[in-house]
This record gives sequence, C-alpha cells and structure tokens, in this order.
Amino acid sequence: ELKVEQNPLFLSMQEGKNYTIYCNYSTTSDRLYWYRQDPGKSLESLFVLLSNGAVKQEGRLMASLDTKARLSTLHITAAVHDLSATYFCAVEPDYKLSFGAGTTVTVRA
Amino acid sequence: DADVTQTPRNRITKTGKRIMLECSQTKGHDRMYWYRQDPGLGLRLIYYSFDVKDINKGEISDGYSVSRQAQAKFSLSLESAIPNQTALYFCATSDSDYTDTQYFGPGTRLTVL
Repeated sequence: ELKVEQNPLFLSMQEGKNYTIYCNYSTTSDRLYWYRQDPGKSLESLFVLLSNGAVKQEGRLMASLDTKARLSTLHITAAVHDLSATYFCAVEPDYKLSFGAGTTVTVRA
Repeated sequence: DADVTQTPRNRITKTGKRIMLECSQTKGHDRMYWYRQDPGLGLRLIYYSFDVKDINKGEISDGYSVSRQAQAKFSLSLESAIPNQTALYFCATSDSDYTDTQYFGPGTRLTVL
C-alpha cells in the first residue's frame, strides 16, 4: 500500500524565519507535486518535480526531490502572513495521485 | 470563467437519498477525477476516467458511481447517501502531457443528515 507522509502536520511559523516541510513516500514515483489550499478553497498547483535532484523555486517557496530517498522538501524562506495555508504533497506512481495528509501552516507576527 | 466548475457548491441531503454531483471543464483535458477530502486525511481518489469510454475505480469507490457523459463532463453519484459520506468533494482534470498536473474545481460541500 502506497503511503505518503508529511511532517509536520501543523506548523506555526514566525514571520521572517525559515522552515521546511517534509514529504516521504513509500513507492517509486516519477512525479511529485506540491499543492496549496487556502481555507474553504480549492487546491492550487505549486510545483511539479519530475526527476531526481529536481529543484523548483517560486518566490519564498522552494521544492526539491530526492527519488532515491523517496523524499521531497518544501522550504519556506522568510515566512510572511500570505503563506498561511495547508500544503499537500502528492505522488503519482501509476497516473493516479496519492496525497499526504497536508501540513497546515500558520504564520504569526 | 473558471476552467473547472462543480455544481452544486453546497448540498444538504438526508440518509438514503440519491444525489448527483456534476463537474464540467473547458480545459479540453481528457482525464478527469473525483476526490473526497476529509479533515486530516488529505484527498482520496474515488473514480477516474482517462477518456469518455474509460472509467476506473479509485481508492474508495464503494457507495459511489460515476458517468462520463462527454469529454468535458464527469458526474459523481451517491445512490443511497449515508452520513459518513459527508465531506468536501473535488473534481479535477489533467492533460496527458509530461507533467500530468491536475487542476481542481472549487469543490462541493456535501452534508448527509
């Protein structure tokens, strides 16, 4: 059974500091996705990581993928309030997405 | 206009009722999906369809059925709703390109009393 584990599940961040969310998965997957969900809203695609060593950056967010370790990280640089949301990773080993439980991020002043 | 739309956006129904959730997309994608979201569980795949003649069960298909009426339309039915089907339901679409990124609709909040 495929497992996708995120940690932490809840993250309280202080503005201006750096943090990392981890995503471990239990089977080989060629693709890994990161999504963002604001409260009561839909999911928004952030990154698609397609190969070992892939790194993508957008603003204060940077995602990386290590397929050998079956690990992806989402690094947040100098947190700001606008980053408060729930972040999901998902893997797609056979054209079907399997999601982690999500990391709920709250940024405080 | 939104690329992926879902109707209704909110629905309250009673145990035993039949209910249909509808999804339409204007992205021209062949692949469509239905997920449900429960607090603390992420999203779980119910059914998916890679083209009009292709329907596949996902992780949690029991109690649900689907119909792919056209490339742009994919409906989810609950034949006899039960309270533990109370959840947020999302439709998604993807193109069969190298990223296969899924794009999600706004969601339908379903409450079964």
